Amino acid sequence: SQTIHQWPATLVQPVGSPLSLECTVEGTSNPNLYWYRQAAGRGLQLLFYSVGIGQISSEVPQNLSASRPQDRQFILSSKKLLLSDSGFYLCAWSPRVDNEQFFGPGTRLTVL
Amino acid sequence: GENVEQHPSTLSVQEGDSAVIKCTYSDSASNYFPWYKQELGKRPQLIIDIRSNVGEKKDQRIAVTLNKTAKHFSLHITETQPEDSAVYFCAASGTSYGKLTFGQGTILTVHP
Repeated sequence: SQTIHQWPATLVQPVGSPLSLECTVEGTSNPNLYWYRQAAGRGLQLLFYSVGIGQISSEVPQNLSASRPQDRQFILSSKKLLLSDSGFYLCAWSPRVDNEQFFGPGTRLTVL
Repeated sequence: GENVEQHPSTLSVQEGDSAVIKCTYSDSASNYFPWYKQELGKRPQLIIDIRSNVGEKKDQRIAVTLNKTAKHFSLHITETQPEDSAVYFCAASGTSYGKLTFGQGTILTVHP
């Protein structure tokens, strides 16, 4: 069966510090991968999606970037965090287009 | 791009009552409509979904209906229980790499 992992689970970072969140999927190959941010417990905003290694599409202009160095690894990064980057970051995977998405456990980021 | 509106934002019912959450979407090309349940601090979990070639789908106490002409779909929960209390999200997916556009969520509270 497929599983999706995210780490760290929680993170507290000062403004201006870098960020690296990691997501890995097991038990499947060539998944579509997604990064979402959820602020204040409501509303999932799609940040990035990837349909293959090295293929990243950004949904909104922001302080963040994403990379997919391996088929089942998706990384969310920032060079300098802003207060507004605080939130619950969720990674998701989908086996193919128009199929259900499965979410990872999430990373709760607090920027102080 | 796709826009999904979800109503109501909060819904309070007594145990045993029915609950209905409604969503409208803007992109007539959307063809996949999932519903997610998110408990406090947890990841969203897929509870039911429907595709555009089906008008209704039922799974025990949960059902979803789709009206493609009017571009709206609804979640119906019958015989609600306290454990149904959570935030519920609708979403729509069209032709672009399985991306989901989410509604803003409904906080459902079921009172014993």
